[in-house]
Amino acid sequence: DSGVTQTPKHLITATGQRVTLRCSPRSGDLSVYWYQQSLDQGLQFLIHYYNGEERAKGNILERFSAQQFPDLHSELNLSSLELGDSALYFCASSAPTGSWTEAFFGQGTRLTVV
Amino acid sequence: AQKVTQAQTEISVVEKEDVTLDCVYETRDTTYYLFWYKQPPSGELVFLIRRNSFDEQNEISGRYSWNFQKSTSSFNFTITASQVVDSAVYFCALKDSNYQLIWGAGTKLIIKP
Repeated sequence: DSGVTQTPKHLITATGQRVTLRCSPRSGDLSVYWYQQSLDQGLQFLIHYYNGEERAKGNILERFSAQQFPDLHSELNLSSLELGDSALYFCASSAPTGSWTEAFFGQGTRLTVV
Repeated sequence: AQKVTQAQTEISVVEKEDVTLDCVYETRDTTYYLFWYKQPPSGELVFLIRRNSFDEQNEISGRYSWNFQKSTSSFNFTITASQVVDSAVYFCALKDSNYQLIWGAGTKLIIKP
């Protein structure tokens, strides 16, 4: 158990809909990262938050947004969903001791868009 | 540009055999970190090791060992006396001055009983 909690574990929704994925980082971790894992693109970095502030953006679509709340949990919002958004979405957190520390991953949310 | 290549898409061995997973990386930075993660069939990503660019010492942890060679930009992972529970997809990743993880495509390791 990594200590990172993601909900829900599975999500099935229709095209055009909007969903919210939730992540609780490990106790004490200030950084939260979101990744997308799909069969064709592999693991892709989406976005990084540190203590409530956005630190870096990767290959995140404009239809996607995220935020980190004062209690450090984070949410990833996916809107106007398309079939191609079906993927495993991971949240990870890392210790506040530096930018080089390893990230610990949650179990992921498997999103299926039908 | 940063890049991580895991040329072996899938490896299949019989239990108790030794197996090496290759990882080759590209970066222009002199300071960077390399990581290995394991993704078992259950789907979660499990951290295995972190190694910085200034430390080329090989590391051993039980049946796992890692060989880091800057001269060939490689960070290979060897499992000795493989077990069925080692079956998983293994990812190599690079973090450089952008502080973002760049992932390899992964190697699917199948250990047959």
